[in-house]
Amino acid sequence: ETGVTQTPRHLVMGMTNKKSLKCEQHLGHNAMYWYKQSAKKPLELMFVYNFKEQTENNSVPSRFSPECPNSSHLFLHLHTLQPEDSALYLCASSQDLPGGGETQYFGPGTRLLVL
Amino acid sequence: AQKVTQAQTEISVVEKEDVTLDCVYETRDTTYYLFWYKQPPSGELVFLIRRNSFDEQNEISGRYSWNFQKSTSSFNFTITASQVVDSAVYFCALSEAKGGTSYGKLTFGQGTILTVHP
Repeated sequence: ETGVTQTPRHLVMGMTNKKSLKCEQHLGHNAMYWYKQSAKKPLELMFVYNFKEQTENNSVPSRFSPECPNSSHLFLHLHTLQPEDSALYLCASSQDLPGGGETQYFGPGTRLLVL
Repeated sequence: AQKVTQAQTEISVVEKEDVTLDCVYETRDTTYYLFWYKQPPSGELVFLIRRNSFDEQNEISGRYSWNFQKSTSSFNFTITASQVVDSAVYFCALSEAKGGTSYGKLTFGQGTILTVHP
């Protein structure tokens, strides 16, 4: 595997289900990100992990719960979602630079449909 | 706060035409970074280019070229002799240097849907 991988690629779940999205990066990076891409909104940053520590939580509802067990893996645990949470969820990774401006590399995304 | 505007929502061209995608940004920082990404129908964002604010040289990579003009806060992207495989959504993004209020986060524009017809 190369780059950033995400599983599953497609997910349909009911509002009472619990599921998890998985992301793995094979680039040796130390920062990982979750983004949400809805049909009519720009890419929204949800969470940032730097060296396994969460450094950003953009007012994301608690029904989304991230987990970063190590610098190569990132999970997004989902429970009691709403239909408006249907979107493409993208994972990205980067090598943190002291001055910023690092390039983020993205996975193929998980297309989520909440019924 | 930083902001990126891609005024062109959709562009449609015929193969072999040249096409320019516009990107205008706003930032208070003197040090910042600009990016372009391509998102084909498969969904993955593919990194195309990164420029820092101190490097205003235009760049060419094959059929792709980028025009960075600080005076107009623009970072436009031109595809020469477009091909059907260029059909995708293209995103411009801005990242400020750490130490500013945005802590190096990427801010994306709304994206431009490019359709190249055979």
